[in-house]
Amino acid sequence: SYELTQPPSVSVSPGQTATISCSGDALPKQYVYWYQQKPGQAPVLVIYKDSERPSGIPERFSGSSAGTTVTLTISGVQAEDEADYHCQSADTSANYWLFGGGTKLTVL
Amino acid sequence: EVQVVESGGGLVQPGRSLRLSCTASGLIFGDYAMSWVRQAPGKGLEWVGFIASKAYGESKNYGASVKGRVTISRDDSKTIAYLQLHSLKTDDTAIYYCAFGAYGDSGDYWGQGTLVTVSS
Repeated sequence: SYELTQPPSVSVSPGQTATISCSGDALPKQYVYWYQQKPGQAPVLVIYKDSERPSGIPERFSGSSAGTTVTLTISGVQAEDEADYHCQSADTSANYWLFGGGTKLTVL
Repeated sequence: EVQVVESGGGLVQPGRSLRLSCTASGLIFGDYAMSWVRQAPGKGLEWVGFIASKAYGESKNYGASVKGRVTISRDDSKTIAYLQLHSLKTDDTAIYYCAFGAYGDSGDYWGQGTLVTVSS
């Protein structure tokens, strides 16, 4: 069955750049959406359609796409960015969503 | 400000049914597609199902793990949506979130979730 693959964990020091990947065979044909989820809180959309940033999301969050891999980049990581990050794709013709397993970002 | 609120969670015995509700304010409810997403304790997000807006025929689809046991519906006049899940299993224990999106391909607005615990 089709899956989205994320690394379970990523660690960076404050001020460095964090990259979180999301891989899937259908991604060349589907957009990816990224959510930030802090403990005990609901997910928050931080990137949509691979690389677009919703209003209110800091500019240090960006996204890019290359073939079957989409990447979330957080430049100049801050302590407040420590959270779980989930990628999600959507098959809009079938009204079907799929989530990756999530990545725990630790700010050292 | 958009506010989304889920309700109806609690402790349910295996084999029983439940109905969760989701209301939203601060947006034009009928213009948005809505998805239910759940998160088992310590696990990632799992898509449960989707209902489109009336403009797209309120089309629905459901995740493989709940297909055949789930129904999603909406009443735009009351700005409320529902998730009905039958033949509950212990694996259905999770926080259930509803999420609204203008185009149905993502969750732009999420509630804080409601916890469902399936246990005897």
